[in-house]
Amino acid sequence: AQTVTQSQPEMSVQEAETVTLSCTYDTSESDYYLFWYKQPPSRQMILVIRQEAYKQQNATENRFSVNFQKAAKSFSLKISDSQLGDAAMYFCAYLNNAGNMLTFGGGTRLMVKP
Amino acid sequence: TAGITQAPTSQILAAGRSMTLRCTQDMRHNAMYWYRQDLGLGLRLIHYSNTAGTTGKGEVPDGYSVSRANTDDFPLTLASAVPSQTSVYFCASSAPRLTEAFFGQGTRLTVV
Repeated sequence: AQTVTQSQPEMSVQEAETVTLSCTYDTSESDYYLFWYKQPPSRQMILVIRQEAYKQQNATENRFSVNFQKAAKSFSLKISDSQLGDAAMYFCAYLNNAGNMLTFGGGTRLMVKP
Repeated sequence: TAGITQAPTSQILAAGRSMTLRCTQDMRHNAMYWYRQDLGLGLRLIHYSNTAGTTGKGEVPDGYSVSRANTDDFPLTLASAVPSQTSVYFCASSAPRLTEAFFGQGTRLTVV
Protein backbone atom coordinates (compact mmCIF):
# COMPACT_ATOMS: atom_id res chain seq x y z
CA ALA A 1 0.00 0.00 0.00
CA GLN A 2 1.11 3.52 -0.70
CA THR A 3 1.92 5.89 2.13
CA VAL A 4 2.38 9.64 2.07
CA THR A 5 4.27 11.52 4.77
CA GLN A 6 4.33 15.23 5.49
CA SER A 7 6.88 15.79 8.21
CA GLN A 8 6.03 19.42 8.95
CA PRO A 9 2.79 19.80 10.90
CA GLU A 10 3.13 23.59 10.82
CA MET A 11 5.15 26.10 8.84
CA SER A 12 5.36 29.85 9.00
CA VAL A 13 6.50 32.32 6.37
CA GLN A 14 6.76 36.06 6.12
CA GLU A 15 4.62 37.71 3.49
CA ALA A 16 6.49 38.01 0.16
CA GLU A 17 9.01 35.37 1.19
CA THR A 18 9.42 31.81 -0.11
CA VAL A 19 8.49 28.64 1.75
CA THR A 20 8.91 24.96 0.92
CA LEU A 21 6.59 22.24 2.17
CA SER A 22 7.93 18.69 2.25
CA CYS A 23 6.29 15.46 1.17
CA THR A 24 7.65 11.95 0.79
CA TYR A 25 5.83 8.87 -0.36
CA ASP A 26 6.33 5.17 -0.70
CA THR A 27 5.22 3.16 -3.71
CA SER A 28 6.27 0.24 -5.86
CA GLU A 29 4.66 1.72 -8.96
CA SER A 30 6.59 3.50 -11.68
CA ASP A 31 3.69 5.55 -13.02
CA TYR A 32 1.42 7.55 -10.71
CA TYR A 33 0.22 11.06 -9.99
CA LEU A 34 1.07 13.45 -7.19
CA PHE A 35 -0.93 16.44 -6.05
CA TRP A 36 -0.81 19.31 -3.64
CA TYR A 37 -4.18 20.43 -2.33
CA LYS A 38 -4.94 23.57 -0.36
CA GLN A 39 -7.67 23.61 2.25
CA PRO A 40 -8.61 27.06 3.55
CA PRO A 41 -10.90 27.50 6.57
CA SER A 42 -13.88 27.10 4.25
CA ARG A 43 -12.76 23.38 4.16
CA GLN A 44 -13.00 23.28 0.38
CA MET A 45 -10.26 21.15 -1.21
CA ILE A 46 -8.51 23.18 -3.90
CA LEU A 47 -6.01 21.68 -6.31
CA VAL A 48 -2.77 23.65 -6.27
CA ILE A 49 -0.54 21.63 -8.57
CA ARG A 50 -0.27 18.20 -10.18
CA GLN A 51 2.71 16.12 -11.29
CA GLU A 52 2.74 13.00 -13.44
CA ALA A 53 5.50 10.63 -12.38
CA TYR A 54 6.54 9.90 -15.98
CA LYS A 55 7.38 13.58 -16.52
CA GLN A 56 10.84 14.63 -15.44
CA GLN A 57 10.06 18.32 -15.67
CA ASN A 58 8.83 19.84 -12.44
CA ALA A 59 5.31 21.26 -12.57
CA THR A 60 4.81 25.00 -12.12
CA GLU A 61 1.65 27.03 -11.60
CA ASN A 62 2.33 30.73 -11.21
CA ARG A 63 3.88 31.18 -7.73
CA PHE A 64 3.68 27.45 -6.97
CA SER A 65 6.26 24.94 -8.11
CA VAL A 66 7.33 21.47 -7.11
CA ASN A 67 10.62 19.70 -6.73
CA PHE A 68 9.87 16.16 -7.81
CA GLN A 69 12.63 13.69 -7.05
CA LYS A 70 11.35 10.33 -8.25
CA ALA A 71 14.25 8.22 -7.08
CA ALA A 72 14.07 9.75 -3.62
CA LYS A 73 10.25 9.61 -3.67
CA SER A 74 10.08 13.22 -2.67
CA PHE A 75 7.58 15.85 -3.82
CA SER A 76 8.03 19.24 -2.18
CA LEU A 77 5.97 22.36 -2.85
CA LYS A 78 7.59 25.76 -3.12
CA ILE A 79 5.48 28.85 -2.69
CA SER A 80 7.15 32.03 -3.88
CA ASP A 81 6.14 35.58 -2.95
CA SER A 82 3.86 34.26 -0.22
CA GLN A 83 0.57 36.05 0.21
CA LEU A 84 -1.80 36.24 3.16
CA GLY A 85 -4.30 34.24 1.15
CA ASP A 86 -1.88 31.33 1.00
CA ALA A 87 -2.50 30.61 4.67
CA ALA A 88 -4.22 27.22 4.81
CA MET A 89 -3.72 23.51 5.33
CA TYR A 90 -1.77 21.91 2.53
CA PHE A 91 -2.10 18.24 1.70
CA CYS A 92 0.14 16.12 -0.44
CA ALA A 93 -1.68 13.29 -2.20
CA TYR A 94 -0.80 10.23 -4.27
CA LEU A 95 -3.02 8.69 -6.94
CA ASN A 96 -2.04 5.31 -8.33
CA ASN A 97 -1.71 4.66 -12.03
CA ALA A 98 -5.05 2.89 -12.21
CA GLY A 99 -6.65 6.04 -10.82
CA ASN A 100 -8.48 4.17 -8.08
CA MET A 101 -6.49 4.71 -4.89
CA LEU A 102 -6.01 8.22 -3.52
CA THR A 103 -3.81 8.55 -0.43
CA PHE A 104 -3.15 11.71 1.57
CA GLY A 105 -0.41 12.92 3.83
CA GLY A 106 -1.23 14.30 7.27
CA GLY A 107 -1.13 17.90 6.14
CA THR A 108 0.94 21.00 6.86
CA ARG A 109 -0.63 24.11 8.30
CA LEU A 110 0.92 27.16 6.67
CA MET A 111 0.77 30.49 8.44
CA VAL A 112 1.67 33.70 6.61
CA LYS A 113 2.84 36.63 8.70
CA PRO A 114 2.20 40.16 7.45
CA THR B 1 -21.85 22.24 -12.93
CA ALA B 2 -20.29 18.80 -12.87
CA GLY B 3 -18.92 17.55 -9.61
CA ILE B 4 -19.70 15.84 -6.35
CA THR B 5 -22.64 16.66 -4.14
CA GLN B 6 -22.71 15.70 -0.48
CA ALA B 7 -25.70 15.91 1.80
CA PRO B 8 -26.29 17.09 4.40
CA THR B 9 -23.68 19.84 4.81
CA SER B 10 -23.91 19.53 8.57
CA GLN B 11 -25.75 17.41 11.10
CA ILE B 12 -26.04 16.96 14.84
CA LEU B 13 -26.80 13.36 15.70
CA ALA B 14 -27.63 11.70 18.99
CA ALA B 15 -25.34 8.88 20.01
CA GLY B 16 -26.79 5.51 19.14
CA ARG B 17 -28.76 6.79 16.18
CA SER B 18 -28.06 5.77 12.62
CA MET B 19 -27.40 8.08 9.74
CA THR B 20 -26.52 7.93 6.05
CA LEU B 21 -24.30 10.54 4.46
CA ARG B 22 -25.09 10.90 0.79
CA CYS B 23 -22.61 11.38 -2.02
CA THR B 24 -23.47 11.72 -5.70
CA GLN B 25 -21.20 12.43 -8.65
CA ASP B 26 -22.09 13.15 -12.26
CA MET B 27 -18.69 12.62 -13.84
CA ARG B 28 -18.96 8.86 -14.29
CA HIS B 29 -15.79 8.28 -12.30
CA ASN B 30 -15.22 4.67 -11.39
CA ALA B 31 -13.41 5.27 -8.11
CA MET B 32 -15.04 6.91 -5.11
CA TYR B 33 -13.85 7.42 -1.56
CA TRP B 34 -14.98 8.46 1.88
CA TYR B 35 -12.53 10.25 4.17
CA ARG B 36 -12.86 11.68 7.62
CA GLN B 37 -10.95 14.73 8.72
CA ASP B 38 -10.60 15.41 12.40
CA LEU B 39 -9.81 18.88 13.68
CA GLY B 40 -6.43 20.01 12.44
CA LEU B 41 -5.56 16.62 11.01
CA GLY B 42 -5.31 15.02 7.62
CA LEU B 43 -7.77 12.93 5.69
CA ARG B 44 -8.10 9.31 6.70
CA LEU B 45 -9.68 6.84 4.32
CA ILE B 46 -12.78 5.09 5.65
CA HIS B 47 -13.99 3.09 2.66
CA TYR B 48 -13.49 3.15 -1.06
CA SER B 49 -15.03 1.71 -4.20
CA ASN B 50 -13.12 1.01 -7.40
CA THR B 51 -16.23 0.45 -9.45
CA ALA B 52 -19.95 -0.05 -9.08
CA GLY B 53 -20.71 -3.22 -7.14
CA THR B 54 -17.39 -3.32 -5.27
CA THR B 55 -16.23 -1.72 -2.04
CA GLY B 56 -13.16 -1.94 0.16
CA LYS B 57 -12.03 -0.97 3.63
CA GLY B 58 -9.67 1.89 4.22
CA GLU B 59 -7.64 2.91 7.24
CA VAL B 60 -10.52 3.54 9.66
CA PRO B 61 -13.55 1.47 8.55
CA ASP B 62 -14.95 0.41 11.93
CA GLY B 63 -18.43 1.74 12.63
CA TYR B 64 -19.08 2.61 8.98
CA SER B 65 -20.53 0.82 6.00
CA VAL B 66 -20.87 1.74 2.34
CA SER B 67 -22.61 0.52 -0.77
CA ARG B 68 -22.10 1.17 -4.45
CA ALA B 69 -25.22 0.13 -6.28
CA ASN B 70 -24.39 2.32 -9.28
CA THR B 71 -21.58 4.52 -10.58
CA ASP B 72 -23.00 7.80 -9.33
CA ASP B 73 -23.90 7.15 -5.70
CA PHE B 74 -21.71 6.16 -2.77
CA PRO B 75 -23.56 6.52 0.54
CA LEU B 76 -21.81 6.16 3.90
CA THR B 77 -23.82 4.75 6.80
CA LEU B 78 -23.19 4.99 10.51
CA ALA B 79 -25.27 2.21 12.05
CA SER B 80 -24.99 3.39 15.65
CA ALA B 81 -23.17 6.68 16.00
CA VAL B 82 -20.65 7.34 18.77
CA PRO B 83 -19.08 10.67 19.81
CA SER B 84 -15.70 9.64 18.35
CA GLN B 85 -17.32 9.78 14.93
CA THR B 86 -17.64 13.53 15.26
CA SER B 87 -15.70 14.75 12.25
CA VAL B 88 -15.87 16.32 8.83
CA TYR B 89 -16.55 13.75 6.14
CA PHE B 90 -15.41 14.16 2.56
CA CYS B 91 -16.49 12.19 -0.44
CA ALA B 92 -14.15 12.15 -3.44
CA SER B 93 -13.86 10.56 -6.85
CA SER B 94 -11.12 9.88 -9.34
CA ALA B 95 -10.42 8.22 -12.66
CA PRO B 96 -7.30 7.25 -14.60
CA ARG B 97 -5.26 10.06 -16.12
CA LEU B 98 -7.29 12.80 -14.48
CA THR B 99 -5.88 16.22 -13.82
CA GLU B 100 -7.23 16.04 -10.29
CA ALA B 101 -9.38 14.12 -7.87
CA PHE B 102 -12.71 15.77 -7.13
CA PHE B 103 -14.15 16.46 -3.72
CA GLY B 104 -17.52 17.19 -2.25
CA GLN B 105 -17.91 20.17 0.04
CA GLY B 106 -17.81 18.00 3.13
CA THR B 107 -20.32 17.07 5.81
CA ARG B 108 -19.72 18.25 9.35
CA LEU B 109 -21.14 15.63 11.70
CA THR B 110 -21.41 16.13 15.44
CA VAL B 111 -22.40 13.14 17.57
CA VAL B 112 -23.64 14.10 21.02
